[in-house]
Amino acid sequence: AQTVTQSQPEMSVQEAETVTLSCTYDTSESDYYLFWYKQPPSRQMILVIRQEAYKQQNATENRFSVNFQKAAKSFSLKISDSQLGDAAMYFCAYRSAQGAQKLVFGQGTRLTINP
Amino acid sequence: DARVTQTPRHKVTEMGQEVTMRCQPILGHNTVFWYRQTMMQGLELLAYFRNRAPLDDSGMPKDRFSAEMPDATLATLKIQPSEPRDSAVYFCASGLVPGNQPQHFGDGTRLSIL
Repeated sequence: AQTVTQSQPEMSVQEAETVTLSCTYDTSESDYYLFWYKQPPSRQMILVIRQEAYKQQNATENRFSVNFQKAAKSFSLKISDSQLGDAAMYFCAYRSAQGAQKLVFGQGTRLTINP
Repeated sequence: DARVTQTPRHKVTEMGQEVTMRCQPILGHNTVFWYRQTMMQGLELLAYFRNRAPLDDSGMPKDRFSAEMPDATLATLKIQPSEPRDSAVYFCASGLVPGNQPQHFGDGTRLSIL
């Protein structure tokens, strides 16, 4: 079974600075997807960014980018120019490209933005 | 934008009562997932349906939980009888499988069992 580990329960960063959230995963599959979701206090699950395992190029969405290291099974999220609205829980998630395609989540990292 | 709709948004009830949570998936999506979020266990899959057929409900306590899709526009998750340990946020998500598009989540139902 696949597992996802987020080793940082909490992180904080100064507004306008850059922060990196860590995620590692374990799988024997070669074809899969990885996601970062943001959950603000409103509890919505908001997709931040996704990465297809077959793509070597790291995904980027505006101020959000990932460092995908397939051999190391690492998938970190970098937030540049942090804004107060970035404060939330961030979840890393794995999804197989085959079968059920259910999401397997990490335990989450609570990100605080200091003004 | 198409959205997954969940009702109710909040539910508070006493132990032993029946609870029904509803989900309207995005039109055209063929797969519906139910996830539960707790502080202790995080986000975990309870059950999912493909083309309205239940494919896996191994994450649910069978004696008290049941999930159904009476039609393509409605998925339900029932708890009977409810217990305090069922208190959690329950999310419904829908998606199109196979495919590389992400699942879309509803806003969740916050359930409190007293």
